[in-house]
Amino acid sequence: GDSVTQMEGPVTLSEEAFLTINCTYTATGYPSLFWYVQYPGEGLQLLLKATKADDKGSNKGFEATYRKETTSFHLEKGSVQVSDSAVYFCALKNPDYKLSFGAGTTVTVRA
Amino acid sequence: DAEITQSPRHKITETGRQVTLACHQTWNHNNMFWYRQDLGHGLRLIHYSYGVHDTNKGEVSDGYSVSRSNTEDLPLTLESAASSQTSVYFCASSESTGGVAEAFFGQGTRLTVV
Repeated sequence: GDSVTQMEGPVTLSEEAFLTINCTYTATGYPSLFWYVQYPGEGLQLLLKATKADDKGSNKGFEATYRKETTSFHLEKGSVQVSDSAVYFCALKNPDYKLSFGAGTTVTVRA
Repeated sequence: DAEITQSPRHKITETGRQVTLACHQTWNHNNMFWYRQDLGHGLRLIHYSYGVHDTNKGEVSDGYSVSRSNTEDLPLTLESAASSQTSVYFCASSESTGGVAEAFFGQGTRLTVV
C-alpha cells in the first residue's frame, strides 16, 4: 500500500539556520504530495502541496519539489525562525482521497 | 468562515466505558476522516466517509465505529475504551471533486483512558 517515510528527528536548529526534512514515498500511480505543519496544541495546517512531477510547492519561505525519479518530496527553508518550531508531516493523497502520513518531524528553533 | 470543530478537546474516561467524540464541519465537504496521532506513528486512519450513510474502515478501525447521518457530522465512538486507545484524535474533511483538494483538520481531542 501507499506509505511515506520521513526523517523523524527531533531536529534542533539555531535561528537563521538552513532546514531540510527528508521525505520519500511509495505509491501506485501519481499521488499528490503535501507538507502539513502542527504548531503546539493545534491541529494540522497545510503548509504546501504539489500535484505532479517537478512541481514545486512553496509557502512561508518553505519549499518542496515533487521528484518522481527519486520518489521524494523534501522540505527546505533557507533561514528558520523561532516561530517555525513545530511538528512537520509529509503526506500523500491517493486517488480515493485518503491521506497517508509520515511519522512527523519535531523541529525546535533556538533564538 | 467555514471551519471544522471537535469536542471535547480533552477527555478522561475509564476502561470499558463507551465514549463518543464529536466532529462538525461547515465546509459542506462530502469526505470526512478520523485519524489518531501517536508518537512515532504519525497519523493513522481510523474510519472515513464519502457522504451521508457511507462509512469505511481505515487501517486501525478495531474498537471504533462511526456513523454519518448528515453532511456536517461524523461522530467517532469507542465501544469499550481500552488503555491502548489513549491518543490524540483528529477529524478532517475534504472536497470530493478530485484534483488536489486539501484536507482541513480540527483542533484535536486528547483522550486518556485510565
